[in-house]
Amino acid sequence: ILNVEQSPQSLHVQEGDSTNFTCSFPSSNFYALHWYRWETAKSPEALFVMTLNGDEKKKGQISATLNTKEGYSYLYIKGSQPEDSATYLCATSGGGGKLIFGQGTTLQVKP
Amino acid sequence: NAGVTQTPKFQVLKTGQSMTLQCAQDMNHNSMYWYRQDPGMGLRLIYYSASEGTTDKGEVPNGYNVSRLNKREFSLRLESAAPSQTSVYFCASSEALRGPQHFGDGTRLSIL
Repeated sequence: ILNVEQSPQSLHVQEGDSTNFTCSFPSSNFYALHWYRWETAKSPEALFVMTLNGDEKKKGQISATLNTKEGYSYLYIKGSQPEDSATYLCATSGGGGKLIFGQGTTLQVKP
Repeated sequence: NAGVTQTPKFQVLKTGQSMTLQCAQDMNHNSMYWYRQDPGMGLRLIYYSASEGTTDKGEVPNGYNVSRLNKREFSLRLESAAPSQTSVYFCASSEALRGPQHFGDGTRLSIL
């Protein structure tokens, strides 16, 4: 079983601040890294799927990078807005394709 | 476009009762999954189906069975419910086994 760790567990920022979170995972037997956004009372929504070392993905003001050799991914949010408040989950899969999720980073953006 | 639909949304059971959670997707996805979400534990995979006709165990399969009824539907059965199975259950689907997953709204299950 892969062990996926996310930090920090929670984060409180002011509107307009930029922020970033970390996802750490075992670098052996890596296939893909997923990021999901989970708003309260909704279901998780896929943000990015990355597979290659050095991959960078961007969606609006949210971007992610991947380092498969050292086993980490960063998620960045530029100019956070209150609507960015959510729990951000990362998950990784090995060769079998089963996703192992981290416990998430909960972001609260204050107006 | 409904996406992934789970029924029921809420259910209360007594210990020892059986229950089937239903999941259907209308995106023509090949792969489907069942997760449980517990406080402090994150999402944990119970069972998954890579394609129609196949099912495999995830991290926490004990106490559960699944059926991939057809390409659209993937059900989760609790044969003899236990209080430790109190949780929120999510069904998800993806076009391919390793692709981004689309989640249903969840079923909140309480076992007394």
